[in-house]
Parts: sequence; C-alpha cells; structure tokens
Amino acid sequence: DTEVTQTPKHLVMGMTNKKSLKCEQHMGHRAMYWYKQKAKKPPELMFVYSYEKLSINESVPSRFSPECPNSSLLNLHLHALQPEDSALYLCASSHLTKNEQFFGPGTRLTVL
Amino acid sequence: AQKITQTQPGMFVQEKEAVTLDCTYDTSDQSYGLFWYKQPSSGEMIFLIYQGSYDEQNATEGRYSLNFQKARKSANLVISASQLGDSAMYFCAMREGLSSGSARQLTFGSGTQLTVLP
Repeated sequence: DTEVTQTPKHLVMGMTNKKSLKCEQHMGHRAMYWYKQKAKKPPELMFVYSYEKLSINESVPSRFSPECPNSSLLNLHLHALQPEDSALYLCASSHLTKNEQFFGPGTRLTVL
Repeated sequence: AQKITQTQPGMFVQEKEAVTLDCTYDTSDQSYGLFWYKQPSSGEMIFLIYQGSYDEQNATEGRYSLNFQKARKSANLVISASQLGDSAMYFCAMREGLSSGSARQLTFGSGTQLTVLP
C-alpha cells in the first residue's frame, strides 16, 4: 500500500462548526505532515509529527488542533474557523531517514 | 531571501517536444535534497524525481530528468516528449538537513504552470 488517504474530499463548514480532517497511511512512515495550500500558491507547512509526537508547529492558530492517535493516523480538528482558512489541506508522510514525502489527495475546505 | 526560486509562472510546450522548468535554490547546508512535484488541477501532489546534494549523477525517472548544477545552485526539471497529461502545476522543493535523521519540512517554490498544446 503506497498511498496516503484523506477524508473528506470536500468540506463546507460554518464559522461556528467543529469538524475534523482525517489522514491515513500504511507505509510504516513515522513522520506525518499537515500543509495548507491556497489557490495558485505553494503548500505551507502547518505541523509535523515524528513518532506520533508533535515536532514542528509553524505558529498555526489554535483553531487548528492536530492529533496523531497512532502511527498510521493523523487528524486535524477544526473549530471556529474564519473564511480566510478556506484552502486545500494536504497531508503527507515520509520515513524519517528517507526524503520523499508522499502526499494525499487533499481536503478542499470552504468556510462560510 | 527565497530558498527556492521558480522564475517561470507559466510555460507552454508543444506535444511531443521537450521542456525545461527552472529552479534555483539557496542553502548553506552541505546535505540537502531537491524534489520536483506535479500537481494537476485535482490537487494531489505527485512526486516526480529526487536529487541528493551528494549524488554525482543527475537523477532520471522515465521521461523526467533533473539537470543538477550544484555550483550554480540550480535543479532544473526536463520533461521529454511532452504529453497532454503533463499539463499541471510543477513545484520544485528542498529538504535541508538531510543528515539530521529527523523529520524536516519541504520548502516549496512558487510553481510553474505548464500547458501542453496539441
């Protein structure tokens, strides 16, 4: 299994909603990543998990809350988002010592 | 300063011709990796090719090759025999600190939108 899956593919939510994005990989990777990508822009790193522990938080607002319940799963909990948070959210995973990051198909989030 | 620079916002190429997408980078690390990803309009980031800073030979993967010029700090992607399905956004990316053994982020360039014309 050489893929990263993300659910849902699309999500529309109001500013008062609470929702979660889910990412899963079964490649034995111990590093997992969340990126945010606005249209026509490169992905921007949000969080990095190594061995299920948060190792990098790129000063992301607290309305985004990551969680890594086990080595295969990565969640991003969303609460009280703003319309400017509308974007494509990409999950990726990699080995710690190898370099290539495998990306999932992304979740297109729209905040109304 | 930008760590990854892609100076071509958009490129056009005729089907079956070769095209070169430019990428220059800036790092003081001795051990780093350079990547190219393709992103179709569907959104998924597809890994194409990787070049390590200590690799002496240019990387090749099928129709993709990476023209690595370390002294000039450039890592251009060459796509041979372009196909209509190659139309997409292409990102150059760098991972610094390869020898650290820890998870490190990828730093992306601004991307080049490639359109293959029939």
